[in-house]
Amino acid sequence: KNQVEQSPQSLIILEGKNCTLQCNYTVSPFSNLRWYKQDTGRGPVSLTIMTFSENTKSNGRYTATLDADTKQSSLHITASQLSDSASYICVVSAGSQAGTALIFGKGTTLSVSS
Amino acid sequence: DGGITQSPKYLFRKEGQNVTLSCEQNLNHDAMYWYRQDPGQGLRLIYYSQIVNDFQKGDIAEGYSVSREKKESFPLTVTSAQKNPTAFYLCASSSIRGGSNQPQHFGDGTRLSIL
Repeated sequence: KNQVEQSPQSLIILEGKNCTLQCNYTVSPFSNLRWYKQDTGRGPVSLTIMTFSENTKSNGRYTATLDADTKQSSLHITASQLSDSASYICVVSAGSQAGTALIFGKGTTLSVSS
Repeated sequence: DGGITQSPKYLFRKEGQNVTLSCEQNLNHDAMYWYRQDPGQGLRLIYYSQIVNDFQKGDIAEGYSVSREKKESFPLTVTSAQKNPTAFYLCASSSIRGGSNQPQHFGDGTRLSIL
């Protein structure tokens, strides 16, 4: 069964600190892995998309890594800001056609406090 | 600015009533999608469409219906057959050029509740 598991479920950190969110998946066939940020009451916004051949991708203070052998990904947030408080969703694409076989994780809720 | 507009932001449904959620995009995307988001759950696909006048059922299509008469619009109807409609509904779109590596762009959702 295709699954995406995220940990931790929630996380509280102080402003300015770094943090790392984890994503483990059992999805076949694997096409790509995405990280989204979802603010409360808003739609998700894409942070990164990585294919099988990519093992790291950055978007500002966000850096995603992918280990296709162990089927693990992480999202590292550097020098956190209050605006980073959100849910971070890991999504794995299992299909060759756009958007038709996305497996969504349940998300990690990050709270950044001052 | 290009984007996806969902309306209304909040919607209340009475027993036995059908309600329609609007989704409009001006990104010139061919593909559009409807997801349902419940607390503590991952997004689940309701319906998707990759071309005008064609759409496919997702994982949880029962109790829902859609139409795709225009490229820009993909309305979702929550019918009275959907016994547990309370959820946050998200519409998304993406380009189909370049295969599955295209990001999905999401609207800001409609929160549906039962009266």
